[in-house]
Amino acid sequence: EAGVTQSPTHLIKTRGQQVTLRCSPISGHTSVYWYQQALGLGLQFLLWYDEGEERNRGNFPPRFSGRQFPNYSSELNVNALELEDSALYLCASSLERGGGNEQFFGPGTRLTVL
Amino acid sequence: AQKVTQAQTEISVVEKEDVTLDCVYETRDTTYYLFWYKQPPSGELVFLIRRNSFDEQNEISGRYSWNFQKSTSSFNFTITASQVVDSAVYFCALFDSGAGSYQLTFGKGTKLSVIP
Repeated sequence: EAGVTQSPTHLIKTRGQQVTLRCSPISGHTSVYWYQQALGLGLQFLLWYDEGEERNRGNFPPRFSGRQFPNYSSELNVNALELEDSALYLCASSLERGGGNEQFFGPGTRLTVL
Repeated sequence: AQKVTQAQTEISVVEKEDVTLDCVYETRDTTYYLFWYKQPPSGELVFLIRRNSFDEQNEISGRYSWNFQKSTSSFNFTITASQVVDSAVYFCALFDSGAGSYQLTFGKGTKLSVIP
């Protein structure tokens, strides 16, 4: 069974640009979560999508947004990139909405903002 | 608000030593879940265990064991006879649905280095 996949693996952008990161969940999983892992800040919850809707978001500005498609894959968009957006962005999926089901993580997309 | 504290930032042990990684959590919910994840240098988080708040039984899986104590709000992780392949960052995480948050709150992680 294929795990969570993310693309691209690495990305280099300049300040002010926009970026789109992609995530495909494990087959059968309907919930997708996005996390940011910035140096020194640990893993921080960004967004949660379930059944095509945004269910919750973390303490991030509105320039972080995303969506979930009918096939449950998801995109994370970051507008007006800032230097501090440089981080590893991890996507996770779970079988059901919340409920403490274990979240399975993808390999991440490493974003560097210059 | 939920909070997870991993007081040990970095630990170094010699191969075959036992090592315990500490995790203390805070939550107002009576129903919650605790997790441990491993993050090797490759970056991908690997799920290790989930424990719900109603199950205080300790668990052993091979060289790994977990000690859940609600009385002290702790969920500690022990690796017995450590190996070099155990070198990674280990994260403890808390899931609760307080205020409809439905999110994992992670500790800062403990970097474990196993020296051959």
